[in-house]
Amino acid sequence: SAVISQKPSRDICQRGTSLTIQCQVDSQVTMMFWYRQQPGQSLTLIATANQGSEATYESGFVIDKFPISRPNLTFSTLTVSNMSPEDSSIYLCSVVGFYGYTFGSGTRLTVV
Amino acid sequence: DAKTTQPPSMDCAEGRAANLPCNHSTISGNEYVYWYRQIHSQGPQYIIHGLKNNETNEMASLIITEDRKSSTLILPHATLRDTAVYYCIVRVAWGNFGNEKLTFGTGTRLTIIP
Repeated sequence: SAVISQKPSRDICQRGTSLTIQCQVDSQVTMMFWYRQQPGQSLTLIATANQGSEATYESGFVIDKFPISRPNLTFSTLTVSNMSPEDSSIYLCSVVGFYGYTFGSGTRLTVV
Repeated sequence: DAKTTQPPSMDCAEGRAANLPCNHSTISGNEYVYWYRQIHSQGPQYIIHGLKNNETNEMASLIITEDRKSSTLILPHATLRDTAVYYCIVRVAWGNFGNEKLTFGTGTRLTIIP
């Protein structure tokens, strides 16, 4: 299965600022997914990012708050904009391959 | 999206088989059932998936009922390292271009008791 590298692994940010999370895959993939996991909760899909097209956002998530880039078949970024303490979560990227979905180890974000 | 229902928590004695149930009564004919687990806020780990036949791999077995409205994940000899949150997920697919996604439910917190 694919190997995913996510950066940063954790960060503490001031409210009102933005953080860009990077997701690097060791093989070319068509679809990449971004999830959020709030403390003690399950994973919630934020958006699907296909190379060469605009990301598709799930209900409750908007591009202005969570802009996504997908410049090639092995890389994507998710930006959490104008952060508030409610954005404190683990953010995970995921890709789908022959053996199913692989997840990165996540970015633990704390907004203070 | 097809929803899944799982018990919020379960205990199982070490060395015994852990049987985790999942209800997915609204599943469509071409939707797969996936099982993942998450240990201590790490990224979810793939366990097994199936469409309508029972499946087995080195980690677990998946039993899907004939009507496909429910399934059971079986960990044959549970160890302390199997303590995790287990997610039963129905993979949604649509269109002609391989569009798909996984929508997670609330999962079952499985605790293996020494």
